[in-house]
Amino acid sequence: KAGVTQTPRYLIKTRGQQVTLSCSPISGHRSVSWYQQTPGQGLQFLFEYFSETQRNKGNFPGRFSGRQFSNSRSEMNVSTLELGDSALYLCASSLESGGAEDIQYFGAGTRLSVL
Amino acid sequence: KNEVEQSPQNLTAQEGEFITINCSYSVGISALHWLQQHPGGGIVSLFMLSSGKKKHGRLIATINIQEKHSSLHITASHPRDSAVYICAVPSGSRLTFGEGTQLTVNP
Repeated sequence: KAGVTQTPRYLIKTRGQQVTLSCSPISGHRSVSWYQQTPGQGLQFLFEYFSETQRNKGNFPGRFSGRQFSNSRSEMNVSTLELGDSALYLCASSLESGGAEDIQYFGAGTRLSVL
Repeated sequence: KNEVEQSPQNLTAQEGEFITINCSYSVGISALHWLQQHPGGGIVSLFMLSSGKKKHGRLIATINIQEKHSSLHITASHPRDSAVYICAVPSGSRLTFGEGTQLTVNP
């Protein structure tokens, strides 16, 4: 079974631009969660999608958004990029429960640099 | 006070030593996760446990729900165990993470 696939792996953008990151979960997994990891703040939860619906959201500004498609693939979008958005963005998939009672399987991440 | 606190933040050991990493949390939980992150960023789920103890190879995880405390032990540590170890607790479907413990095992 293929693992969680994130594309692209690396991305360089400038301030003010927008970016879209993609995550393909493990086949059969319906929950996709997104996380941001920075040296200063560590790992932080962005949002979680299940059956095309956002089920949970972290404390991030509205510039961060996401969606999930009927095949469970998910995208996250960051608009009006700021220098502080430079981070490793990780997605994780699980069968049903997100982080509650399922093991999460992580992708390799997308490393975003904002110049 | 953070919801999830880990100790120590950094740990250096000699190959073969017994390692313990601790995690305390302040909220009621249904399960606790231990994760491993290698240089380069990849994260692997090591354990998800809601009570007692789990063992996988040289790794052992324990949890005491009443005391809101979990420990991750590594027996006979090896340089390939060098990584960041992170505990995480759920609130609904979201995870809150500890700051991580950077483990370095020297040969």
